Amino acid sequence: GDSVTQMEGPVTLSEEAFLTINCTYTATGYPSLFWYVQYPGEGLQLLLKATKADDKGSNKGFEATYRKETTSFHLEKGSVQVSDSAVYFCALSDYNFNKFYFGSGTKLNVKP
Amino acid sequence: KAGVTQTPRYLIKTRGQQVTLSCSPISGHRSVSWYQQTPGQGLQFLFEYFSETQRNKGNFPGRFSGRQFSNSRSEMNVSTLELGDSALYLCASSLEGNGEKLFFGSGTQLSVL
Repeated sequence: GDSVTQMEGPVTLSEEAFLTINCTYTATGYPSLFWYVQYPGEGLQLLLKATKADDKGSNKGFEATYRKETTSFHLEKGSVQVSDSAVYFCALSDYNFNKFYFGSGTKLNVKP
Repeated sequence: KAGVTQTPRYLIKTRGQQVTLSCSPISGHRSVSWYQQTPGQGLQFLFEYFSETQRNKGNFPGRFSGRQFSNSRSEMNVSTLELGDSALYLCASSLEGNGEKLFFGSGTQLSVL
């Protein structure tokens, strides 16, 4: 079945460091891919998405490219801020069934 | 436009009891999904409703059930609570329910003692 695997955390970085959070997926069809972010005490918010191969999603300095050949959707940011500290979830959706599969989440801690 | 609203925010129950959680989706959204979030398992899909019909169901026992009303509001019920049901229950809505982005509520934190 469909699934998402993302790197375990926590990831601890200093402010202005480069961020990469790895995400790979398994899917039978052609899913859409998403990154969601969860701040403490809140629900998940959509960070970015890509709906087909080679699409790049971007938002708030974060980027991720849909790589069909490597079944990956790695999240990157060139310079992280303390306010980026949160839990990041990679996810895929099945168009036909509106069913989302989430990774286990990666906690990011950014130190000043 | 109001976001997804979940009530109550916190619940404490004892084993064997039952509980009902409520979710009001964004106005105009017809699809409502429920997820269970635990530290060890991440987000697990419970079920999805669209226009009052359950379209998808995850791998949870029959103690977990739900329904959706004509105004798209949804409720989730868990009967005969077990300690392992302690989790954050998240509701998410989407406009047409065709795999586009989800809008999440802040969740209901359920503790089973």
